[in-house]
Amino acid sequence: ETGVTQTPRHLVMGMTNKKSLKCEQHLGHNAMYWYKQSAKKPLELMFVYNFKEQTENNSVPSRFSPECPNSSHLFLHLHTLQPEDSALYLCASSQDRNRAGRTGGYTFGSGTRLTVV
Amino acid sequence: GESVGLHLPTLSVQEGDNSIINCAYSNSASDYFIWYKQESGKGPQFIIDIRSNMDKRQGQRVTVLLNKTVKHLSLQIAATQPGDSAVYFCAEKGDNQGGKLIFGQGTELSVKP
Repeated sequence: ETGVTQTPRHLVMGMTNKKSLKCEQHLGHNAMYWYKQSAKKPLELMFVYNFKEQTENNSVPSRFSPECPNSSHLFLHLHTLQPEDSALYLCASSQDRNRAGRTGGYTFGSGTRLTVV
Repeated sequence: GESVGLHLPTLSVQEGDNSIINCAYSNSASDYFIWYKQESGKGPQFIIDIRSNMDKRQGQRVTVLLNKTVKHLSLQIAATQPGDSAVYFCAEKGDNQGGKLIFGQGTELSVKP
């Protein structure tokens, strides 16, 4: 257990469904991240939150909607997804956005394996 | 643009041999580098890091080498074990990237018994 917990571990959803991914960290970190990991591709940064404020959105389609109610929790709300959105979605946290590289980098959760049918 | 890449997408080694995983980066302003290990069904986990003012750092069975002249990073694993089978990512951080970590594609290490 890394201290970053993601639920659910697996999710199958239809293109018309609405679902949410949850991430929780108990490390006292203030920055949280959503990454998409597709087969044979590098990690793709989706969103960055620092002290609950969204600081980065990497041109992510609006069918992905993040929410960060506090520094310990991060959600990714999904609606009307496409089959090409099937991937492993990883949540990560760091002490804060500007110190990610000074304190051992990011701590990742185990991810949610999403399949869109 | 700036990128972090890996020379080999897959690497197969015999148990007990040493493994070397390479990474090339092009952002000369990067000052911090990390190696991550991702086992099947898990998220990436921190292995070892190195700052740009160093050229070598050792951990338990792992060594990271940094050659800033040719912008090259490598991870050496001594006496590779079956439990080392995983995908290994390098990541870099530079202030001109907004403090974010930039990840390479990954190398899949397979250890043959």
